[in-house]
Amino acid sequence: GAGVSQSPRYKVAKRGQDVALRCDPISGHVSLFWYQQALGQGPEFLTYFQNEAQLDKSGLPSDRFFAERPEGSVSTLKIQRTQQEDSAVYLCASSLDQVGTEAFFGQGTRLTVV
Amino acid sequence: DAKTTQPPSMDCAEGRAANLPCNHSTISGNEYVYWYRQIHSQGPQYIIHGLKNNETNEMASLIITEDRKSSTLILPHATLRDTAVYYCIVRVAPISSGSARQLTFGSGTQLTVLP
Repeated sequence: GAGVSQSPRYKVAKRGQDVALRCDPISGHVSLFWYQQALGQGPEFLTYFQNEAQLDKSGLPSDRFFAERPEGSVSTLKIQRTQQEDSAVYLCASSLDQVGTEAFFGQGTRLTVV
Repeated sequence: DAKTTQPPSMDCAEGRAANLPCNHSTISGNEYVYWYRQIHSQGPQYIIHGLKNNETNEMASLIITEDRKSSTLILPHATLRDTAVYYCIVRVAPISSGSARQLTFGSGTQLTVLP
C-alpha cells in the first residue's frame, strides 16, 4: 500500500495476556518508530529502528515491551503480561531517511486491556 | 529538545485563515521547528518544518520570528477537514548516529473549524 499499515486496528486483551502489534512501513523506508498515545495526550516515543537495527529503545516503559524488525521492513511490538495501564493507541511511523526528517504515521492500534 | 507552549484550543471560521501560535523561547540555534497535525482517530500527519526562514508548502505557511522564540502556523483558507490537534515540535537536526531522531509531542492545540 501507499501508506503505513498497522494491524489490528483494535485489540482487546485480558489482563495478563500477551499481544503482538504489527506495522508495515512504507516500502524502502529506512527508519521505523513506535509511539504510545494515551487518551487525550500527545504520542510518546517508545523505540526506533534503522533498518533491522534497534538503535534506541529508551522509551519502552518496562521489560514487558519488546519490538523487533528482523528483515528491516515489517516490525512487531510485543507486550507481555498486559496491564491496564498499557491501554493506549500504539502508533507506528516510518521515514525514508536515517534521520526521520518527515515521518509518516499509520492509523494506530487501539489496545484496551480489561 | 526545547519545550514548546501552545494554546490548548482555538476556533476558526471556515474559509478564513487559521493562525496557530507556538512559543519556544529556549530554542537553540541548531533546532528546527516542526508542525504535525492529528485528525481524530488517525495518526499524526507532517505539515511543515523550518529553521529560521519562513516556509510555505501546499498545506500551510510557517512564520518564525527573527529571534526564533516563537512561530505561527498559518492555514490560509481553513476547511472543516482541517479540524485536528496541531502539534508544534522543536527538534535538533539529527545529523549524527547518536542524535535523537524521534519526535517529542506536547499536548498541542485543538483547532476546530466552524461552518
